[in-house]
Amino acid sequence: EAGVAQSPRYKIIEKRQSVAFWCNPISGHATLYWYQQILGQGPKLLIQFQNNGVVDDSQLPKDRFSAERLKGVDSTLKIQPAKLEDSAVYLCASSLHTYANTGELFFGEGSRLTVL
Amino acid sequence: GESVGLHLPTLSVQEGDNSIINCAYSNSASDYFIWYKQESGKGPQFIIDIRSNMDKRQGQRVTVLLNKTVKHLSLQIAATQPGDSAVYFCAENPFGGGGGNKLTFGTGTQLKVEL
Repeated sequence: EAGVAQSPRYKIIEKRQSVAFWCNPISGHATLYWYQQILGQGPKLLIQFQNNGVVDDSQLPKDRFSAERLKGVDSTLKIQPAKLEDSAVYLCASSLHTYANTGELFFGEGSRLTVL
Repeated sequence: GESVGLHLPTLSVQEGDNSIINCAYSNSASDYFIWYKQESGKGPQFIIDIRSNMDKRQGQRVTVLLNKTVKHLSLQIAATQPGDSAVYFCAENPFGGGGGNKLTFGTGTQLKVEL
């Protein structure tokens, strides 16, 4: 079974530039998550989708971050303009269940962003 | 506020010994907990979970213990191997059943296995 695919794996940009990350979840997983993981910290949820609808985006800095999942499969996360503090690994995860409280999320390998 | 924290940032153990990684949580309403393993350059990988109606759950070489009285959980790894070297996170679902998989992760403990 293919896992969660993310690209690019690494990205270096200057502050105020824009960047986009792509995620393809495990086939059949209706729920997709974007997490931000700053070095030395645990992942923090940015946004959660169920199919193409947003379940939770309460921790997404909406002035600069946006995410979409138009067809309920792939998703993109965009940052514009980037700040130095956005340097982190952006993890995409998917799960089969949203409300069954199983909690088993399958994570991709992440996209490491460095903002100079 | 709600938080999930870990007692030790780094744990060093000898190969073959048992490892115990601890985690404290503050939200007494949380009823679901998960341990994840994250190797360098990879995403977190599910290890084991436990619901609040249990105090112990065993997997392959791993055991999770939950003490709701003191809001503490631990991950025990038997016969620790070099491949166990990683950062271990506990995660908490503070919304209980029906709240979705909105997990709150702790900071993590780095487990180093010495040969």
